[in-house]
This record gives sequence, structure tokens and C-alpha cells, in this order.
Amino acid sequence: GAVVSQHPSRVICKSGTSVKIECRSLDFQATTMFWYRQFPKQSLMLMATSNEGSKATYEQGVEKDKFLINHASLTLSTLTVTSAHPEDSSFYICSARVQRGRTDTQYFGPGTRLTVL
Amino acid sequence: AQSVAQPEDQVNVAEGNPLTVKCTYSVSGNPYLFWYVQYPNRGLQFLLKYITGDNLVKGSYGFEAEFNKSQTSFHLKKPSALVSDSALYFCAVRDRESGNTPLVFGKGTRLSVIA
Repeated sequence: GAVVSQHPSRVICKSGTSVKIECRSLDFQATTMFWYRQFPKQSLMLMATSNEGSKATYEQGVEKDKFLINHASLTLSTLTVTSAHPEDSSFYICSARVQRGRTDTQYFGPGTRLTVL
Repeated sequence: AQSVAQPEDQVNVAEGNPLTVKCTYSVSGNPYLFWYVQYPNRGLQFLLKYITGDNLVKGSYGFEAEFNKSQTSFHLKKPSALVSDSALYFCAVRDRESGNTPLVFGKGTRLSVIA
């Protein structure tokens, strides 16, 4: 199956700093990537949809100036949490969409656990 | 609008017994349906999907799911549970005709297999 990587897997930062999370599709090109956020013992909440070469589409309630998404190439999307605060601590998961013929599947990265002190 | 319901927060089953994790969905058109599994502090792993065709879908690790259009359900099943199956399971749906929309997830069901 398709492989999606995320880096870093875990990051701890001080309040007020910015953190960048990378999401890469390793063996395929992804025109669309999604960023999800998962709180403890809860489901995945979609934050934004990222299309290569265009601006990301953010879900209602997600601050686009705080969560900057850049989909610079068909294999890389980045999420930057700007001026992070403790309430931004969460598990962030990216996903890449693969469309091959009639099949359409999302593959997920391993996630990045962000802890803001 | 798309939605997924997983009515059980927790399912407990003895090792060797059959297991079922329930999922019902709502879409305006025809659904793509998925099951994912998540182990602690890990991302989601794809288990199986229903696109079209045979209603019984077989996936990884001996899991299978049956698409039931009349009941709008896609329950996950396994004939004989293993302790290593203990994890968090997510059902997800996407409307087949909805273009570039992402998957919508249920809230998850925690499966605990007891030795």
C-alpha cells in the first residue's frame, strides 16, 4: 500500500514558538492532502484540505493564520502551528488521497504529537 | 452531509470469540466506506474498504465487513479475536459523488480482547 510519512513524530516546544510538521507521500504523488487533529480519546477532526499549488481550504472554526498549510509539491505538505499555546497540544495526522482508476483511498501518516509547554 | 455513527465506545470480547464493531452511516449518494485501526500513539492503519461490488469485504489481519445498504451499516467482524487486536477502530465514509471531499470519521470504538 501507499506510504505516508510525517516528521517529526513528537515535538515539545515552548509557548509562543512556531512548529512545522512535514507530511510526505513516499511512493506516490498526492494532489490532495488532508490535515486532521485528534484529541485524547476522541475522533479525528478535519482541519483543512490541501491541494498542490493552491491555497488550503480550512474547516469552520480552524484559524488559517494560526495553522499555516503549504502544499509545495505533489509529495510534500507542511503544517506550521504559529505562536503555539498549550491548547494547541494535540496529535496531528496528515493524510494523502490516492485515486487510481475507480479506487479512491486515503492513506494516513503516523501522526505527530505536539506538546506545548 | 455525511456522517458516521459508532454506537459503542467500548467492546470487550474474550480471545478466540467472534467480534463485531458496529458502524452506521449517512450520505446523500452512494458511499465509499472504510475501516481503520489505531494503536496507541500511532497513526491510522487501513484495514479494508467498500467501493462497489460484493457486499462482503475482506481486509487485513482476518477482518471483514459487510455492507448493508438497506440498514446503512458497515459492521466490522472477525471470526476469532486475538489479544493483539486490542486497539481503537474507526469507521469512515465518503460520498462517492462528492468530488474532493475527505473522509468523515466516526468517534471510534475501543476494542479490548481479553486473554
